[in-house]
Amino acid sequence: QVQLVQSGAEVKKPGASVKVSCKASGYTFTSYDINWVRQATGQGLEWMGWMNPNSGNTGYAQKFQGRVTMTRNTSISTAYMELSSLRSEDTAVYYCASAVAGLLDYWGQGTLVTVSS
Amino acid sequence: EIVLTQSPATLSLSPGERATLSCRASQSVSSYLAWYQQKPGQAPRLLIYDASNRATGIPARFSGSGSGTDFTLTISSLEPEDFAVYYCQQRSNWPPLTFGQGTRLEIK
Repeated sequence: QVQLVQSGAEVKKPGASVKVSCKASGYTFTSYDINWVRQATGQGLEWMGWMNPNSGNTGYAQKFQGRVTMTRNTSISTAYMELSSLRSEDTAVYYCASAVAGLLDYWGQGTLVTVSS
Repeated sequence: EIVLTQSPATLSLSPGERATLSCRASQSVSSYLAWYQQKPGQAPRLLIYDASNRATGIPARFSGSGSGTDFTLTISSLEPEDFAVYYCQQRSNWPPLTFGQGTRLEIK
């Protein structure tokens, strides 16, 4: 069965970077896009960007341009999302999701990133 | 960017009742509208895609309708496990993908 397993919770200081991983199994990793969505506590879903694991092509939400980088390692079926220059407002649960043409069909369990001095 | 507006913000109903949730787009998204369910502490789950197609394993009590700018998610007879937050999402004109702000379905 399709599974996306994300890395564990992180605590970071303002100005630092965080890199979250998302390991895929149960399907051919390069066949579906990986999208990243975040959710602050008690808030709604916010789309951050997408990556094509086959080509490595990416597209980012304007809000995160210059601060986010999405990469992958196809040999271990793992996608990564790195967010830099962290601030308190970046405290949220970060989800990866597999997708076809923007339809997010399978989701990871989420990774809590806390930004605090 | 397409803005999705969901209503109501909160819906209070009892098990066995019918739930009707709305999602309105700021411009036409054709039928490229999906619905997700999210329970506390869990990731969202895809319920409906392309306005009216149930995702794999989704019970028949969930149905979606609409096209263009106005969409509806209907739960025909609420089960206790259906009380959750529901989000709509468009993929007609992206990036960016956009979500509605959510409707909280709570037990009355």
